Amino acid sequence: QVQLVQSGAEVKKPGASVKVSCKASGYTFTSYDINWVRQATGQGLEWMGWMNPNSGNTGYAQKFQGRVTMTRNTSISTAYMELSSLRSEDTAVYYCARGDTMVQGVIISYYYMDVWGKGTTVTVSS
Amino acid sequence: SYELTQPPSVSVSPGQTARITCSGDALPKQYAYWYQQKPGQAPVLVIYKDSERPSGIPERFSGSSSGTTVTLTISGVQAEDEADYYCQSADSSGTYPRVVFGGGTKLTVL
Repeated sequence: QVQLVQSGAEVKKPGASVKVSCKASGYTFTSYDINWVRQATGQGLEWMGWMNPNSGNTGYAQKFQGRVTMTRNTSISTAYMELSSLRSEDTAVYYCARGDTMVQGVIISYYYMDVWGKGTTVTVSS
Repeated sequence: SYELTQPPSVSVSPGQTARITCSGDALPKQYAYWYQQKPGQAPVLVIYKDSERPSGIPERFSGSSSGTTVTLTISGVQAEDEADYYCQSADSSGTYPRVVFGGGTKLTVL
């Protein structure tokens, strides 16, 4: 079955970086975008960005520009999200999600997330 | 920037109909999607392209759209439907697609 398996929980100090992995199975990894969404305790969903595993192209939310990097290793069907210069406000559960999309240039026919990983808890504390 | 607005909470009794709204200026031009999230779990897609239901989602979940407002309707609410619900759409105003989430609505089954 289609699934996304994420790496385990992380504890980091302020100023450090964290790299979360998301291994896809049950479908062709390069055929769907991977999105990253985070959720602080008691808060809503916050979209961080997307990556096209086929081309490696990325698009980041303005809030995370300069601090986030999304990459992939197609040989092992795995996507990565690295967040740098961590601060306490980055403490959250980070989800990867498969994007089912139809985008041509700036025309978006549809864009949604149909399969989600279980989440990776990242705690930033001194 | 593009925003989606949801009511913070909705309460219904079992067997009644729950309606959760989501408002945004771009909704007439972009589809809306709905996710259900139960405590400690990842979100689950329950409606896509305004009104389509993924396989495995009960028929009591439906979606509709009218102008700048989309609505998730849960008919015959059951206790297991108590969860947070998020609407989502896409922003095409930039050079690449951006995803936008509403703030979420907590559905309480009384």
